[in-house]
Amino acid sequence: DAGITQSPRYKITETGRQVTLMCHQTWSHSYMFWYRQDLGHGLRLIYYSAAADITDKGEVPDGYVVSRSKTENFPLTLESATRSQTSVYFCASTPTSEGIEQYFGPGTRLTVT
Amino acid sequence: RKEVEQDPGPFNVPEGATVAFNCTYSNSASQSFFWYRQDCRKEPKLLMSVYSSGNEDGRFTAQLNRASQYISLLIRDSKLSDSATYLCVVYGTASKLTFGTGTRLQVTL
Repeated sequence: DAGITQSPRYKITETGRQVTLMCHQTWSHSYMFWYRQDLGHGLRLIYYSAAADITDKGEVPDGYVVSRSKTENFPLTLESATRSQTSVYFCASTPTSEGIEQYFGPGTRLTVT
Repeated sequence: RKEVEQDPGPFNVPEGATVAFNCTYSNSASQSFFWYRQDCRKEPKLLMSVYSSGNEDGRFTAQLNRASQYISLLIRDSKLSDSATYLCVVYGTASKLTFGTGTRLQVTL
């Protein structure tokens, strides 16, 4: 089925471990985004990408790394997980730069112990 | 000051009631505005865009006041299925959206 998927949906990891969250979309949208959602903060942009091999920092990029070698994939890596990175992570995509609508994946619930 | 501010609620209303949410934004250069809906433990989904002239979609009406920098969402004849968190969203540049923290609505029998 076409759409945007994320994996894993749930993840528990330990402080200091490297974790990669996957995001895959089948629409060939140019723009992709990673957000985290925490109580009291709403959705905050971590990184975004305007096209393959083009990425840029959002509001809260520290501790995260992204890559985009293919249009359809946009993995997010936590290089050395910390408890403050416990959150719900959403990936999103949109076809244009006009920001008309972003389509969100189902989210990944990450717990860092 | 947050870029987008909303009353977190919760707004508890009976079925059939009319309820309104407001949202203020700080960047006067913001170009586009939206309301997204987020059900518990689910992803946000676009509810409607907000135009300067106001727009209506069934029981939902959205309005924009650029002079006062606020956006509103009115829900008439509330249904149980309207229970959700409503996110006020502002578009700036480079396809980047800024989200409010959301207003929680609980519609009861």
